[in-house]
Amino acid sequence: GQQLNQSPQSMFIQEGEDVSMNCTSSSIFNTWLWYKQDPGEGPVLLIALYKAGELTSNGRLTAQFGITRKDSFLNISASIPSDVGIYFCAGQRSGAGSYQLTFGKGTKLSVIP
Amino acid sequence: NAGVTQTPKFQVLKTGQSMTLQCAQDMNHEYMSWYRQDPGMGLRLIHYSVGAGITDQGEVPNGYNVSRSTTEDFPLRLLSAAPSQTSVYFCASSGQSIEFFGPGTRLTVL
Repeated sequence: GQQLNQSPQSMFIQEGEDVSMNCTSSSIFNTWLWYKQDPGEGPVLLIALYKAGELTSNGRLTAQFGITRKDSFLNISASIPSDVGIYFCAGQRSGAGSYQLTFGKGTKLSVIP
Repeated sequence: NAGVTQTPKFQVLKTGQSMTLQCAQDMNHEYMSWYRQDPGMGLRLIHYSVGAGITDQGEVPNGYNVSRSTTEDFPLRLLSAAPSQTSVYFCASSGQSIEFFGPGTRLTVL
């Protein structure tokens, strides 16, 4: 199946630091999504991106849809302990009524108080 | 509005047993899907459905069956459980290209 390369796999950062993670693909996607998963829970949508070049913010989170439509990044500014979790990127190739997503393998974020 | 609900939350099976994981959504979404999540593998699509009566295979469909008799429900059946099916299973439904996930079912096959 399709693969998304998400990096880094894990990060340990100090509280207050900024965080950056990204996803790249060999295929073009129409939509990029970023999810966060807390332990024992399902993924929760953070940001959705629909157009190449789009830059969208949600509080301290900012994500961009790459111009080539093959990549996306997520930044978290001034990290806090509750940012801990696994962050997933997902790409979607819409069409024929299908919303099939391809997920990256996740970035595990640890925040040291 | 409960969103996506899944039952059970935890399940232990013996090899060869069968069971059905339940999934329901109350958002009137046409598209529903099942994923499994394994350490280091991310989320992998098992089966999906674009509407009642229509299902299709995802990336890892072997060993699983699905049906979609109503818009609300999308059960996942394991016909003969194997240890390789030990995983966390997530059901999701989509509206406007955004997938909403259920809380997951943690399945262990001994």
